[in-house]
Amino acid sequence: DIQMTQSPSSLSASVGDRVTITCRASQSISTYLNWYQQKPGKAPKLLIYGASSLQSGVPSRFSGSGSGTDFTLTISSLQPEDFATYCCQQSYGTPRTFGQGTKVEIK
Amino acid sequence: QVQLQESGPGLVKPSETLSLTCTVSGGSISTYYWSWIRQPPGKGLEWIGYIYYSGSTNYNPSLKSRVTISVDTSKNQFSLRLSSVTAADTAVYYCARRTDYGSGYYGMDVWGQGTTVTVSS
Repeated sequence: DIQMTQSPSSLSASVGDRVTITCRASQSISTYLNWYQQKPGKAPKLLIYGASSLQSGVPSRFSGSGSGTDFTLTISSLQPEDFATYCCQQSYGTPRTFGQGTKVEIK
Repeated sequence: QVQLQESGPGLVKPSETLSLTCTVSGGSISTYYWSWIRQPPGKGLEWIGYIYYSGSTNYNPSLKSRVTISVDTSKNQFSLRLSSVTAADTAVYYCARRTDYGSGYYGMDVWGQGTTVTVSS
């Protein structure tokens, strides 16, 4: 299985901050990487597919980059509604696997 | 817009079979792949498998011996069966639509609200 490792596991930030979350794959997955946002008690929401393509309806403050094994999700200016858990998922191999999540908390 | 709704028992006894159904509304089940994902309490997401509307499937090898995903296009539903359950199968179970964005890129863009299944006697 392809292991997905995120860092940090949690972070504290303020509204307006630039936030960066990293996801590393245990082998090269090209750009077959998705990012999801999950709020407590809710289903995940697709933010980014193909490592850098913004899902329809997602604010442009979210962006993704990377290829191979190293990927980044950036929130350019954190908004109150962005406090949530973010996880990456590879769509390169079977089984599809997810990172353990990064919880973004209010400082 | 397309909405998904999971349904099924919230409590299953150990060694029995967990059965859930996902009903697709607001759109056709045809031409898409449909997935099941679960999330144990306080843990990350685990992909269970997916099915194409035509019936072809792909399962997580760690669950393959116990999992069956099926589709009923006449009812716009797809289902999950997980046999021989243990406490480790206690989780929130989500159904989701897998969308093809081209160039081999897929993402799960529509999700059900999730249903909690507890395995306990």
